[in-house]
Order: sequence, then structure tokens, then C-alpha cells
Amino acid sequence: QVQLVQSGAEVKKPGASVKVSCKASDYTFASYGITWVRQAPGQGLEWMGWISAYNGRTNYPQKFQGRVTMTTDTSTSTAYMELRSLRSDDTAVYYCARGNGHFDYWGQGTLVTVSS
Amino acid sequence: DIQMTQSPSTLSASVGDRVTITCRASQSISGWLAWYQQKPGKAPKLLIYEASRLESEVPSRFSGSGSRTEFTLTISSLQPDDFATYYCQHYIGYTWSFGQGTKVETK
Repeated sequence: QVQLVQSGAEVKKPGASVKVSCKASDYTFASYGITWVRQAPGQGLEWMGWISAYNGRTNYPQKFQGRVTMTTDTSTSTAYMELRSLRSDDTAVYYCARGNGHFDYWGQGTLVTVSS
Repeated sequence: DIQMTQSPSTLSASVGDRVTITCRASQSISGWLAWYQQKPGKAPKLLIYEASRLESEVPSRFSGSGSRTEFTLTISSLQPDDFATYYCQHYIGYTWSFGQGTKVETK
């Protein structure tokens, strides 16, 4: 069945970068976009951006523009999200999800902890 | 940016209750709205998309309605598995945003 499997937990120092992967299986990767959503401890869901797996088109909310880069590798059906200049308030669980409107399959989440 | 406001933030209910959660958009989003259920430590699960379409394998006690700026998620008879946090999400023009969430807890 359709699966999105994310990379493991990360611990980073303030100012560093993190790159999270999301490997898709059992569907035609290029037919759907991938979105990234994060959730800080005890908080709600925050949309970070979307990438078309078909042509690499991206859309980021203003909050993350200049600090986030989303890419895909169609040869391995893998999406990546890189967040730079990490701060303590970037500590969160980061999710990838499949879709172009609503998101029907989600990864298991990757905990990124930013701490000195 | 379009803002999504859910109410209530917390809802106390009992098994068998009819539960309604409201999501209001700061401007018209037509019918481009989805609802998700999230349990602690788990990824969100899609329940409803395009405001009223039930996702495959989601129990029929869940339903969605509304258009333009006001939308509702209804659970017709709350079951033990339904205690969770629910989020609305709008999508338009390749931008998305979530409501702040509604936690459904045991009365």
C-alpha cells in the first residue's frame, strides 16, 4: 500500500541546517505533490510548503521563504526538506504528506530538536 | 493570507453524543476544505475533503458540510476511538493553512 517513510530523528545546534527525507512507495511518485507540515510540542499543525513531484514547482509561505528548500528525486521517489539557520523554536515533528489539495497519506514524522 | 478559525478549541462530550466542530475562513474559499483527525504521537488522518466528501474507509458517522466561509464537521454518534484533535485545512492556489485545532475530550 502507499507509504511515506521519513528519515530518523535529528538533534541540531542553533544556526545549523537539517535535511529530512521522505521516501514514497507503491504509487506513481510524479502524479502527486508532497507537502511538509510541522508541529511544535503541544501545538497545532503548520504548513511549511509544497513541491510538485512532476516538475519541481514549489510554493512556500512567506514565513519560511529564504530558509527552506524542498526538492524531489524522482529516480528514488524521495522528497527532501531542508531548513536552514535553525532556532530553538524550530524544534518540532516534521511531516511529509502526499497530495495536491487534500493530503491522504502522511509520513510517520521526524522529530527535529534544536538545542545548544 | 486566509485565516482559518476553529471553534470550540476544546469540546467535552460523551460516547453517543452528536458533536459539531466549526471552521470559519477569513474570506471565501469555495469548497476547498479538508478535515483531519490526529491522535497523540500520530500523523494526521484525512477524514473529509472538498468540504463534504468522505475519505475512503472513514466511518459514515463523520460528515462535512458548508461552503464559502463557514464549514462544519459532524460526528453523528461519538465513539471511544473518536477522542482526538481535529483540524480543518483550506487549500487554494497551492497555498494551505490549518485551523488551530479542536480537542474532543471525555466529559
